[in-house]
Amino acid sequence: DSGVTQTPKHLITATGQRVTLRCSPRSGDLSVYWYQQSLDQGLQFLIQYYNGEERAKGNILERFSAQQFPDLHSELNLSSLELGDSALYFCASSAIAGRTDTQYFGPGTRLTVL
Amino acid sequence: QKEVEQDPGPLSVPEGAIVSLNCTYSNSAFQYFMWYRQYSRKGPELLMYTYSSGNKEDGRFTAQVDKSSKYISLFIRDSQPSDSATYLCAMSDAGGTSYGKLTFGQGTILTVHP
Repeated sequence: DSGVTQTPKHLITATGQRVTLRCSPRSGDLSVYWYQQSLDQGLQFLIQYYNGEERAKGNILERFSAQQFPDLHSELNLSSLELGDSALYFCASSAIAGRTDTQYFGPGTRLTVL
Repeated sequence: QKEVEQDPGPLSVPEGAIVSLNCTYSNSAFQYFMWYRQYSRKGPELLMYTYSSGNKEDGRFTAQVDKSSKYISLFIRDSQPSDSATYLCAMSDAGGTSYGKLTFGQGTILTVHP
């Protein structure tokens, strides 16, 4: 158990809908990263927050947004969902921005868009 | 061309064999190199972490980095059926503008049969 929690474990929804994925980092970790894992693209970085502020952005679609709250949990919002958004979404946390050696991954949320 | 290339396998070996997993990369700014293990439907688990070039050993696992060739390896000695998983290499140029963002290889599927 990495100490990173993600809810829900599974989400099944329809095209055009909006969903929210939630992540709670390990106790004491200030940095949260979101990744998407699909069969064709592999594991890809989406966005990073550090202590409530956006720090880095990857290949995140404009339909996707994220935020980190004062209690350090983070939410990833996916809207106008398409079939191609079906994937595993992982959250990772680390203590300090840039400390990749302590980046721990959660169990993921499996999103299925029908 | 992807920044990080990794042969997806699958790789099947008998128990007790030495396993060699490799990745090549094109971004010379990468300084931090990691290997993650991912069991089916689980989050990636950090196995090894190396900064810059050199070797690192941890039990049955040895990580090697050759920055001059842009090539990293993971060796697993005395492989066990419990080592059966997908192995992902990951890299970062943390300290630059990426703030710890990881770039992953596609992952190699390993099966160790009794």
